[in-house]
Amino acid sequence: DTVLTQSPALAVSLGQRVTISCRASKSVSTYMHWYQQKSGQQPKLLIYSASNLESGVPSRFSGSGSGTDFTLTIDPVEADDIANYYCQQSNELPFTFGSGTKLEIK
Amino acid sequence: EVQLVESGGGLVQPGRSLKLSCAASGFTFSNYYMAWVRQAPKKGLEWVATISTSGSRTYYPDSVKGRFTISRDNAKSSLYLQMNSLKSEDTATYYCARQQFITKGGFAYWGQGTLVTVSS
Repeated sequence: DTVLTQSPALAVSLGQRVTISCRASKSVSTYMHWYQQKSGQQPKLLIYSASNLESGVPSRFSGSGSGTDFTLTIDPVEADDIANYYCQQSNELPFTFGSGTKLEIK
Repeated sequence: EVQLVESGGGLVQPGRSLKLSCAASGFTFSNYYMAWVRQAPKKGLEWVATISTSGSRTYYPDSVKGRFTISRDNAKSSLYLQMNSLKSEDTATYYCARQQFITKGGFAYWGQGTLVTVSS
C-alpha cells in the first residue's frame, strides 16, 4: 500500500503563508488530492490531481508536486481555514489518505 | 445542487450485520463512480469501497474485503454498503462520496455521514 506521511500539526499567524506537506512512500505521479475537514463536518475537496483548484475553492489555496512530494499552500491564511487537511492518492488501489495536518492559529 | 444523504447507521453488536444507504440527487447518478469512506472517532479518513457506474466492478481494501459489499441501484439513485461480521474497529462515521468524472480523480462530493457503533 502507498503510505502518505503528513506533519501532525502546524501553527501559523493570520495573513501569513503556510505550506502543508505530504510525502508518498512510492510515486503516485500527480494523482494526489487535498481535502479540508472542519470540526464536525464532512471533508471538502480543495485540490485535485496535485495542482488543480476545485470549483468554488478560493484562490488562496494552491497545490504542487509530483512523484512522492506534494504541498498544499494557503496564502494568506484566514481564520476560516482552521481545519484538518488530508492528502489522498488515487494512483493505485487501495486508495490511501494521509493522517492529516491540523492547522492552528498562533 | 449535488446532495448525498446517508442513513442506516446505529449501534450493532460485534459479529452482526448492518446495511447503509445513500440517497443521491442533483446529478446523473449512473454516470459516476461512487464510494464509501469512513472515519473512526477522532481519527483520519479510510477508503472503504468503490463501485463502477454500472455496478459491475467493485473495489475494497483488505481491511473490509470479504465482509463488506458495495452496491448501487441506478434507477433509484442509491448507493448501499452491506456490512457483515462487524468488528469494534469498524466503529466510524461512514461517508458516501462521489468520485470525480476524471481518471483517478478524487472524491468531489461527500454526504454528512452516518455513525456506526459496533459494541456489545
